[in-house]
Amino acid sequence: SQQGEEDPQALSIQEGENATMNCSYKTSINNLQWYRQNSGRGLVHLILIRSNEREKHSGRLRVTLDTSKKSSSLLITASRAADTASYFCATKASGSRLTFGEGTQLTVNP
Amino acid sequence: EAQVTQNPRYLITVTGKKLTVTCSQNMNHEYMSWYRQDPGLGLRQIYYSMNVEVTDKGDVPEGYKVSRKEKRNFPLILESPSPNQTSLYFCASSSRSRTGVGQGANVLTFGAGSRLTVL
Repeated sequence: SQQGEEDPQALSIQEGENATMNCSYKTSINNLQWYRQNSGRGLVHLILIRSNEREKHSGRLRVTLDTSKKSSSLLITASRAADTASYFCATKASGSRLTFGEGTQLTVNP
Repeated sequence: EAQVTQNPRYLITVTGKKLTVTCSQNMNHEYMSWYRQDPGLGLRQIYYSMNVEVTDKGDVPEGYKVSRKEKRNFPLILESPSPNQTSLYFCASSSRSRTGVGQGANVLTFGAGSRLTVL
């Protein structure tokens, strides 16, 4: 069964606003990764956060991890129309496979 | 350029006609995997390979075969395709994790996808 679940399923914002997506998971993990997928294309890795880390930044992306709540959030600041895509979290637990959630569809309106 | 290459990108076929989707990576990755993506079901793993001659079933292996004779190639074979195998397929690879057990914990590099329609 899938480990990560993203919330919301869909998000629509205006250019320049911040977008926040959440991911919850069920069991202890080694790391959590966020991927982006443009319509019908392959997934592209954005950022990886390990279980002993609480926050990571990459450009306009900020990821947090709360292992006590088994949740992560991805924040995209100052969004652009080009950020329109689906965003997936993927979790890796010890001894098991990388498991993907169903994704959040982000639409950034110009 | 480091990449995972899948072919064909688009294919329409008929029930029962064997087909192969090729996957090749140029990053010397040990780990390779196939996924299918369907609306409302997310990304589901079909098969994976930890290294040459080592393959194992994922979540939805029925109706598929794979082989890993060379490190760079990991073809997906549909011996007798059926309409329920109509889907968007992705191949992915990564270097194998040096710590812990299980599948590669490192970042996956995905191919561009192969959209398959079985009539």
